[in-house]
Amino acid sequence: KAGVTQTPRYLIKTRGQQVTLSCSPISGHRSVSWYQQTPGQGLQFLFEYFSETQRNKGNFPGRFSGRQFSNSRSEMNVSTLELGDSALYLCASSLAGWAVAYNEQFFGPGTRLTVL
Amino acid sequence: GENVGLHLPTLSVQEGDNSIINCAYSNSASDYFIWYKQESGKGPQFIIDIRSNMDKRQGQRVTVLLNKTVKHLSLQIAATQPGDSAVYFCAEGLTFGKGTLLTVNP
Repeated sequence: KAGVTQTPRYLIKTRGQQVTLSCSPISGHRSVSWYQQTPGQGLQFLFEYFSETQRNKGNFPGRFSGRQFSNSRSEMNVSTLELGDSALYLCASSLAGWAVAYNEQFFGPGTRLTVL
Repeated sequence: GENVGLHLPTLSVQEGDNSIINCAYSNSASDYFIWYKQESGKGPQFIIDIRSNMDKRQGQRVTVLLNKTVKHLSLQIAATQPGDSAVYFCAEGLTFGKGTLLTVNP
């Protein structure tokens, strides 16, 4: 069974640009969550999508957005990039969502975004 | 590999020893806790979880203990192996701890 895949793995952008990251969940998983990981803040939740609907949202500005397609693949977009957006962006998929007990989340390897 | 956290608490153990990694949480109403392992260059990997109605849960070589009185969570790894070397962090719902770097010396 293929794991969670994320593309691209590495990305370099400049301030003010926008970026779109892609996540393909494990086949059959309907929940996709996105996280930002930085050395200073650690792992922070961005948002969760389930069956094409945003179900939970973290405390990030509106420049961060996402969507989920009917095949459960998800994209996240960051507009007007800032230096502080440099981070490892991780997505995780699960059958029913993070909040369902004993429902394991599987993480992808992440996309390393560098903003210059 | 990825340096997922600067100035992380570190724990260094000898191969074969038992490891205990601790985590304090802040929200006494938290209902669900998870431990993750993150190896260099990889995404986090689910290890074990526990609901607040339990004090202890065991997996393969791992045990999670939950003390709701002092809002403390611990992960015990039995017979630690070099492959256990990684950053370990707990999650309280969607709030993640900064992690502990475990180094296993052969």
